[in-house]
Formats: sequence, C-alpha cells, structure tokens
Amino acid sequence: DAGVTQSPTHLIKTRGQHVTLRCSPISGHKSVSWYQQVLGQGPQFIFQYYEKEERGRGNFPDRFSARQFPNYSSELNVNALLLGDSALYLCASSSTGLGANVLTFGAGSRLTVL
Amino acid sequence: GQSLEQPSEVTAVEGAIVQINCTYQTSGFYGLSWYQQHDGGAPTFLSYNALDGLEETGRFSSFLSRSDSYGYLLLQELQMKDSASYFCAVPTSGTYKYIFGTGTRLKVLA
Repeated sequence: DAGVTQSPTHLIKTRGQHVTLRCSPISGHKSVSWYQQVLGQGPQFIFQYYEKEERGRGNFPDRFSARQFPNYSSELNVNALLLGDSALYLCASSSTGLGANVLTFGAGSRLTVL
Repeated sequence: GQSLEQPSEVTAVEGAIVQINCTYQTSGFYGLSWYQQHDGGAPTFLSYNALDGLEETGRFSSFLSRSDSYGYLLLQELQMKDSASYFCAVPTSGTYKYIFGTGTRLKVLA
C-alpha cells in the first residue's frame, strides 16, 4: 500500500506569490491534517479535515487555506507568501477508531520563499 | 496556554539506554504520543499512551504519569540508526489536532 504522498517535494517561490501543495492520504483514511515545520522546531498544526469538512484550524493567518476533495486528497494553499513561510509542510492522514491516534506523515513539501 | 517541554539534546553511546522526558501543560488530556524524525525525513509514529504506566514495543518503551503531567521515551540497546529527533505530542480537544514538543535531538556515538 502506498503511504501518504505529497507534491511537490521541493519548491522555490518569491515573496508575494502563492503556492498550492497537494496530499494524498493512505487509502481508507478519511482524515487529513496539515502541519508546518520550521527548521529546528516541532510541527505546528495548520488544518485538519475529516470527511471533506474542516474540523480544526491552527493559529495561522487567513493567507493559509485548505480543502479536501471527495477522494479524501487535500490541498493547502498559501497566498501572499512571506519569507517566514519558508518551512517543511507536512501532511498526515489517520484512520478512525483504534487507529485515530496514529498520524502517518508524508515526506513533506519543502518551501523556500526568497 | 498549551505547551510541551523536552530537553533539546541528548548524547549517548551505542548499546546504552537513554530516557527522553516530556512535561506537558494542556487544557484537556487525551494521551501522549512519541514520534521519531530523521534529518530530512518525515515524523514516524513510535507510541501512544492514554493511561498511566509503561508501554513496551521492542527496544522502545514509553511511560506516562497523568498526575505529574509527565512522560518519557526509553530507548534501549541504542544503535547508530537511532540518531534522530524525537517529539512528544498531545492531541487536543479530542480531535486529531496535535501539539508537538520542541523536540529532542539524540546523538548516538560509536
């Protein structure tokens, strides 16, 4: 079975541009979460989607948005990029029931804003 | 606020035992998780404790004391491949929103 897949793996943008990051969860997982990880720190929660509905939002500005599609894949969009948005963006999926406490992360999308 | 504190760095030699501590402050408590992350890699799940006590999985064990708001990850028979960052994390509000600690960088020396 494929794990959580994210694309692109690396990208470079300039200030003011926007970016779209994509995530495909593990087959059968209906929950997708997005995290931002700055170098040397722990992942910070951005969004969580379950059954295509936003279930949680972290302390991020409105420039950050996301959505989940009927096939449970997800997109994270960031507008008006700032230098401080440079980070590793991680997508995690989880199942329900006993598996709900296990986050399976993708390899991440490393964003550099110049 | 909600926070998790871990030591920033721990160094040990191959074959040794190391303990990584985590103290947390949360408005509600649903369990404590541990994740391993190698440089350039994704975090991978190690363990989850919802109740007090010790959970053992191979060379790794995780302990929780809810009354002390404290937990630790115990790594035995250290191997070079265990060199990585280790994060404790707690789910909040009964959802899948996790707060992660600052991470502990473990260096295993030959």
